[in-house]
Amino acid sequence: NAGVTQTPKFQVLKTGQSMTLQCAQDMNHNSMYWYRQDPGMGLRLIYYSASEGTTDKGEVPNGYNVSRLNKREFSLRLESAAPSQTSVYFCASSESPVWSNSPLHFGNGTRLTVT
Amino acid sequence: GNSVTQMEGPVTLSEEAFLTINCTYTATGYPSLFWYVQYPGEGLQLLLKATKADDKGSNKGFEATYRKETTSFHLEKGSVQVSDSAVYFCALSAAHRSGGGADGLTFGKGTHLIIQP
Repeated sequence: NAGVTQTPKFQVLKTGQSMTLQCAQDMNHNSMYWYRQDPGMGLRLIYYSASEGTTDKGEVPNGYNVSRLNKREFSLRLESAAPSQTSVYFCASSESPVWSNSPLHFGNGTRLTVT
Repeated sequence: GNSVTQMEGPVTLSEEAFLTINCTYTATGYPSLFWYVQYPGEGLQLLLKATKADDKGSNKGFEATYRKETTSFHLEKGSVQVSDSAVYFCALSAAHRSGGGADGLTFGKGTHLIIQP
């Protein structure tokens, strides 16, 4: 069972370039999330999708867009990358929204550097 | 808004030592509380959880008790091993969400634990 799969694992971008981070889960989960992890900041929620067809902003959505392509896939797009977006990005999924106490299952992360 | 405060590390202990990682929270209502662990190069994994006051979560020798009166959820283990070296995150979720507010967990900044043989 693969769980949550993120691609790519590493990426280097120049300022102004765009890219899409891919995430797929095979657990038939309804809810999916994108977090970023920065030193000394913990994890901060960028966007989430409570169910297929819906997306909502989290704590730090500026500079990002998301697409819930189907129940399995939830992508994160950076339209014009900035050095402040250098971070490790984690995708996560849960059977139900976490406010119902459903645990999060995380991918292994994408390490993005913007120069 | 909701927030989680945990001791920042690194915390360095010898093998078989007793471990406590402090976690306190601020939240409206009655949140659920979680501890997640992150091993090097991996994503976070759920370690344990507690969903109401006085609940004790436990897993792999780790324990934490939901203390509403002190708004705390401290992580403890009686005898740590080198394999416990990792980053530990305390987190909370709102027990109920009505009429708005983002879903997802609110995380502390993480505590880096290093166990020396």
